[in-house]
Amino acid sequence: EPEVTQTPSHQVTQMGQEVILRCVPISNHLYFYWYRQILGQKVEFLVSFYNNEISEKSEIFDDQFSVERPDGSNFTLKIRSTKLEDSAMYFCASGVSGSYNEQFFGPGTRLTVL
Amino acid sequence: AQSVTQLDSHVSVSEGTPVLLRCNYSSSYSPSLFWYVQHPNKGLQLLLKYTSAATLVKGINGFEAEFKKSETSFHLTKPSAHMSDAAEYFCVVSSDSNYQLIWGAGTKLIIKP
Repeated sequence: EPEVTQTPSHQVTQMGQEVILRCVPISNHLYFYWYRQILGQKVEFLVSFYNNEISEKSEIFDDQFSVERPDGSNFTLKIRSTKLEDSAMYFCASGVSGSYNEQFFGPGTRLTVL
Repeated sequence: AQSVTQLDSHVSVSEGTPVLLRCNYSSSYSPSLFWYVQHPNKGLQLLLKYTSAATLVKGINGFEAEFKKSETSFHLTKPSAHMSDAAEYFCVVSSDSNYQLIWGAGTKLIIKP
């Protein structure tokens, strides 16, 4: 069964460094999402992406963050200058349509900022 | 604004006994509701969803949930727990203005042998 994959599973970085989190959505999906979960807190929506542009973003998704679909398979989240509070589990999701009924999630990338 | 409250951070049951994970929501309109499960080191998996059809929704692995509008609840149940059910469970409501999902804090289900 097709599934969303994410790499790396765990990333450790120094404060101020740039990180890129990678996701490979399910191949026929057109809608892509990033969520994050700070340890002990709720899962929070970051951004949705369709037709090569951001369709929605939350207030968390400030200028520090960017997303890209550099080729036909990858969907990336870049954090330009990491802060301690960016430490979290980041989940990628994809869907065939824009319906919230159909979001399929990856296993997550745990980002630790030191 | 929408919100989700999962009433228990941890639930512990013995194998073979019923499971009840409680969820209350607030929404300004008729929402769609979901339960997701996350096993250790795995992704988030959709267990079941309610989208204004039947109020009793059956999901995978023997789980079901009942949408009760009068109580604004969407509790998750299973008649008989199995060791493989040990995981974290998230109750989720759709946003009324866009395709965001609004998440509860999660309930960790512990199964005792």
